[in-house]
Order: sequence, then C-alpha cells, then structure tokens
Amino acid sequence: DQQVKQNSPSLSVQEGRISILNCDYTNSMFDYFLWYKKYPAEGPTFLISISSIKDKNEDGRFTVFLNKSAKHLSLHIVPSQPGDSAVYFCAASEGGGKLIFGQGTELSVKP
Amino acid sequence: DADVTQTPRNRITKTGKRIMLECSQTKGHDRMYWYRQDPGLGLRLIYYSFDVKDINKGEISDGYSVSRQAQAKFSLSLESAIPNQTALYFCATSDFTDQPQHFGDGTRLSIL
Repeated sequence: DQQVKQNSPSLSVQEGRISILNCDYTNSMFDYFLWYKKYPAEGPTFLISISSIKDKNEDGRFTVFLNKSAKHLSLHIVPSQPGDSAVYFCAASEGGGKLIFGQGTELSVKP
Repeated sequence: DADVTQTPRNRITKTGKRIMLECSQTKGHDRMYWYRQDPGLGLRLIYYSFDVKDINKGEISDGYSVSRQAQAKFSLSLESAIPNQTALYFCATSDFTDQPQHFGDGTRLSIL
C-alpha cells in the first residue's frame, strides 16, 4: 500500500504562471517532508523540505505547504520557468533516515 | 567531480548472471542507500547502511544483497538477475537524520 501518493502523473503550465504539485500521505507518523527534482539521465536533487511543526516553508520561487489534518503536501513554483521542466518527487520520513517517495509528477513549462 | 558516483552508468546483461553495482562518495557521509526506480512507482528503498558495520533491509530487498566496504563505498549485488529487476538504480548518501539525501546519477540496468 503506497503511503505517499502523487496522483497527477503530469502537469503542463505556461511560463510565468504558477505550478502547483500535490502529494498526499497516509502515515500520520511522518514528521519530515521533502521535494526532489529530477532531470533525465540525472539523479534526483533536493529542492525544499518542511518539518511537521511548520505549515509553510519558502525558498525563492519555491514554497511548500503542509496540511497535516488533510495529510496533504503541495509545492508551489512562482513564476514557473522552462528550466523547471522536470519530474518532481515528494518524499516523507518518520525519522530514522528512511524516505518514502511518491510516484512523481512530470512538470512541463511551456514558453 | 560528482560527490556520489555510480558505476557502471548503463549495463545490459542476461538472466541468471551475477551483477554488482558500485557507489562511492566523497561527501564524508555515514549513511548510504540503494533505491530502484520503476515507471509509475517512484523510488523504492532496497537497502541502507548507517555506518560500515550496519546494514538494513529496505522495502524491496529480496533478490539483492549489499556490501559496505568502507565509509565511502556501498555496493549492490544481484546474485542471479531476473528480467523484473530491470530498472534504474540510485545510490544516495546523507549526513544524519532529517538531512536531505544526495543522489548519484543512477545506473540503468537491463536484464534480458
């Protein structure tokens, strides 16, 4: 049973607009959440994280929101740029260093 | 130079063969991980190691084994490869709990 789910396999957005990527989880023991970005032929690279004691974390154009009651995580990219086109994975941890990943969402930002 | 290096980058082999994938890191991290990525399934943890004397199974360890030869080296073996082990394999490292993991660029493994 998948504990972390990204229900949208793909998302297409116009350059300059907002991209919103969503992630749902089932395990209430998760206390740390991360987003990774992956380009073809490369490994995932860390983008942004959030602890369960917060509901928002911002880093430049990237903001992660956490809604613990809904067990929902989202990543907002504003403004979106063509270079943001990649696969985005959300991941969660309940401590101990192990990460559980979602299936990924492929974002395409069109000029 | 990459901080986390995986070799080989690509490998095609036949069913029943023994295969070793290697990972080395220059980040000085104690923790190392092996994942596989399959289309539509994201990354799944195979094995992880928190130091040289520590080896732990992940969620999909059957058919795999690992060896932590040194702090900087963590290898993954498929003793007798089967076609459903065809996947993209990633090695990752981290410093300690709640620090982001850093990934290598992956090994694309095809088993015919």
